[in-house]
Amino acid sequence: KQEVTQIPAALSVPEGENLVLNCSFTDSAIYNLQWFRQDPGKGLTSLLLIQSSQREQTSGRLNASLDKSSGRSTLYIAASQPGDSATYLCAVRDAGNNRKLIWGLGTSLAVNP
Amino acid sequence: ETGVTQSPTHLIKTRGQQVTLRCSSQSGHNTVSWYQQALGQGPQFIFQYYREEENGRGNFPPRFSGLQFPNYSSELNVNALELDDSALYLCASSLVALDTEAFFGQGTRLTVV
Repeated sequence: KQEVTQIPAALSVPEGENLVLNCSFTDSAIYNLQWFRQDPGKGLTSLLLIQSSQREQTSGRLNASLDKSSGRSTLYIAASQPGDSATYLCAVRDAGNNRKLIWGLGTSLAVNP
Repeated sequence: ETGVTQSPTHLIKTRGQQVTLRCSSQSGHNTVSWYQQALGQGPQFIFQYYREEENGRGNFPPRFSGLQFPNYSSELNVNALELDDSALYLCASSLVALDTEAFFGQGTRLTVV
């Protein structure tokens, strides 16, 4: 059974720091991994999608890496800003299990001015 | 703006009642998935529809049912509401190909009292 874990559960940093959020999954049989952002009480905004054959994806100040064999992904946020404050969720599209998205519980990020 | 629209945004129902939530998928997307997100938790997969047929289901009882229409919009119906059904319900649209990105609506916040 695929399980997704995100570390840390919460993070509070001063503005300007570079951050690393971690996501691990137990079964390497995935189609892709997607990072999302969720603001309180809101829906999910897709940040980056990494296919199983890819190693990383970049969008602006965000860089996500994927090591499928070790079951790990990291989301790197450069030069953090207060507007980055949100919960960051990773989800893997499982190759079995109805091919559904399996989610971590998220990392709650607070960037302080 | 993802192009995925959910209605209503908020809803309060009484235990035992029935509710219908609606989702308009992004133009060109033929697959719709529904997720339930309890407070402080990651989203849990309810079911997925492709071309008006259910093609995947999570661990939810039969009182959770759905429909997909020819224009690929979708409904989630929940009968005999229970207090534990209170959650944010999220709809995601994508193409049937498994390597494509999932886009989410803003969610419907359901409160059962």
